[in-house]
Amino acid sequence: DAKTTQPTSMDCAEGRAANLPCNHSTISGNEYVYWYRQIHSQGPQYIIHGLKNNETNEMASLIITEDRKSSTLILPHATLRDTAVYYCIVRVVSNYQLIWGAGTKLIIKP
Amino acid sequence: DADVTQTPRNRITKTGKRIMLECSQTKGHDRMYWYRQDPGLGLRLIYYSFDVKDINKGEISDGYSVSRQAQAKFSLSLESAIPNQTALYFCATSDLVFGGEDTQYFGPGTRLTVL
Repeated sequence: DAKTTQPTSMDCAEGRAANLPCNHSTISGNEYVYWYRQIHSQGPQYIIHGLKNNETNEMASLIITEDRKSSTLILPHATLRDTAVYYCIVRVVSNYQLIWGAGTKLIIKP
Repeated sequence: DADVTQTPRNRITKTGKRIMLECSQTKGHDRMYWYRQDPGLGLRLIYYSFDVKDINKGEISDGYSVSRQAQAKFSLSLESAIPNQTALYFCATSDLVFGGEDTQYFGPGTRLTVL
């Protein structure tokens, strides 16, 4: 079973920040949180990952709570091309597998 | 050129036929993976390989086999295709970074239909 919980869908206005939440209450201390997105039926695209500190790259920011039980992916200025399914994944350290849930369908509206 | 390529991109076949899906990568990564995705669901791991001599079963390996021909090539075979193997198939690669980080990069996918 997936170890993360995400909303099924979310809307966001174009140009605004999109904040996608994820709960991972059973995460272990050495497990990473990864975010991917999938546009239509294309191959998933890596966005960002983190362990316990907040992270930022050219695509997004990742905010992880101090207890590590939840995180938020932030797309600072959403565009129509950001419409996709976003997956929050906890990496299983013991066997390096990614356990995928159903993700959040993010729709950016003009 | 894409770092991870998959061939074919689309395939329609009949029940009982043998099918091979191929994956090639130019990222120089040691680790390669095969996933399947059913409509509306997340990806599920079929097989993974950490180097040429290492092959491991994933969550749903029954009905599938793999071959790691070289560091850059990883093939998935359906020995006798059945309709419930109709799905999107993705190949991915990764490389272990010091500290345990292991980011996977995906190919464009193969849409397989078994009639």
